[in-house]
Amino acid sequence: EVQLVESGGVVVQPGGSLRLSCAASGFTFDDYAMHWVRQAPGKGLEWVSLITWDGTSTYYADSVKGRFTISRDNNKNSLFLQMSSLRAEDTALYYCAKTYGSSWYYFDYWGPGTLVAVSS
Amino acid sequence: QSALTQPASVSGSPGQSITISCSGTSSDVGAYNYVSWYQRHPGKAPKLMIYDVGNRPSGVSNRFSGSKSGNTASLIISGLQAEDEADYYCSSYSSRSRWVFGGGTKLTVL
Repeated sequence: EVQLVESGGVVVQPGGSLRLSCAASGFTFDDYAMHWVRQAPGKGLEWVSLITWDGTSTYYADSVKGRFTISRDNNKNSLFLQMSSLRAEDTALYYCAKTYGSSWYYFDYWGPGTLVAVSS
Repeated sequence: QSALTQPASVSGSPGQSITISCSGTSSDVGAYNYVSWYQRHPGKAPKLMIYDVGNRPSGVSNRFSGSKSGNTASLIISGLQAEDEADYYCSSYSSRSRWVFGGGTKLTVL
């Protein structure tokens, strides 16, 4: 059974940093690209970032580019999101999501999410 | 404000059919056939229901179908059932290796 479990979400002050983790199991982790998607309170889903299966290519939403860094450790079946210069608008539930088959375009399994709150 | 525009809510009676629209632009929905739809029940993770505009992953009921015309994609649910009551989100690949989502539509089964 595919399982994704995010962790690392906390309350952090504006301008602070945070590292989110996503532990993956139930599938061959290094066969798949992975995404981070977030949802702010009362808002819709927002794509954040993508990393290829081998970590050699990464992509970011304009809203986080230059502040967030996605990475992965295939030996530990783990995905990460290093977040810095955090802003109030980064407050959201952050999901890691597995890509569907060989396609980067779809998300077939999601974790339950980890909550990041940026507040002074 | 989400990049793709969906109605906030739709409703229908059991057995009826409903359509949820997803309006984008010529840079996303109109440019690519990488449109997908996700169902999310309260407190649960989103579930992929439709990909490539109109394809269903294994295990998804054939009551769910999708289509696209120009910059607008649609999710059609036929033979509405109580278990279909959920939030539905559309998504599209966009130019410059980005992905965009709709704001979500709350489906109520009357």
